[in-house]
Amino acid sequence: GENVEQHPSTLSVQEGDSAVIKCTYSDSASNYFPWYKQELGKGPQLIIDIRSNVGEKKDQRIAVTLNKTAKHFSLHITETQPEDSAVYFCAGQSGGSYIPTFGRGTSLIVHP
Amino acid sequence: KAGVTQTPRYLIKTRGQQVTLSCSPISGHRSVSWYQQTPGQGLQFLFEYFSETQRNKGNFPGRFSGRQFSNSRSEMNVSTLELGDSALYLCASSLRGDGETQYFGPGTRLLVL
Repeated sequence: GENVEQHPSTLSVQEGDSAVIKCTYSDSASNYFPWYKQELGKGPQLIIDIRSNVGEKKDQRIAVTLNKTAKHFSLHITETQPEDSAVYFCAGQSGGSYIPTFGRGTSLIVHP
Repeated sequence: KAGVTQTPRYLIKTRGQQVTLSCSPISGHRSVSWYQQTPGQGLQFLFEYFSETQRNKGNFPGRFSGRQFSNSRSEMNVSTLELGDSALYLCASSLRGDGETQYFGPGTRLLVL
């Protein structure tokens, strides 16, 4: 089955800096890669996703890049703000699978 | 559209008791998945239902069970609670569950004493 590894487990940045979270996956059949943000006391919320026919996707200050050959994808957050502080999860899913495989999560702390 | 709702939001039980958690998916969504989230283990998949049928099951003991109703609402049950069952239980729904985005509810925080 799919295995998704996520690094780092904790990331501390100053407000205004950029943050990058990286994930690798094992199943070459995986073709859908969502990213979730989980704030304290809440369920994970989808913030951006990418499919395997696209190399990069942007939405304002966040972007995701995908390298299918190397089987890794990354989340980029620019101009970080204190409200970006949360736990971020990556996931990988193949078209034949009904459930995604999640990474262990990255705790992002943005210092004002 | 209303999001995924879960009830209750918080629950305190004692060892040996049983508990039932409820999840109402987004209207039109037919796939419902359940996850257990703990600080040490991250998001662990419990099971997934589609059209009242369990399609996938994670690696959890038989004390964990679930079901889905014809209106796609789902319940999960944990019998003979153990201290280690204390966790945030998350429900997620998607249209068909086949390579689609899952939308999560706020979770039910279960504390077993």
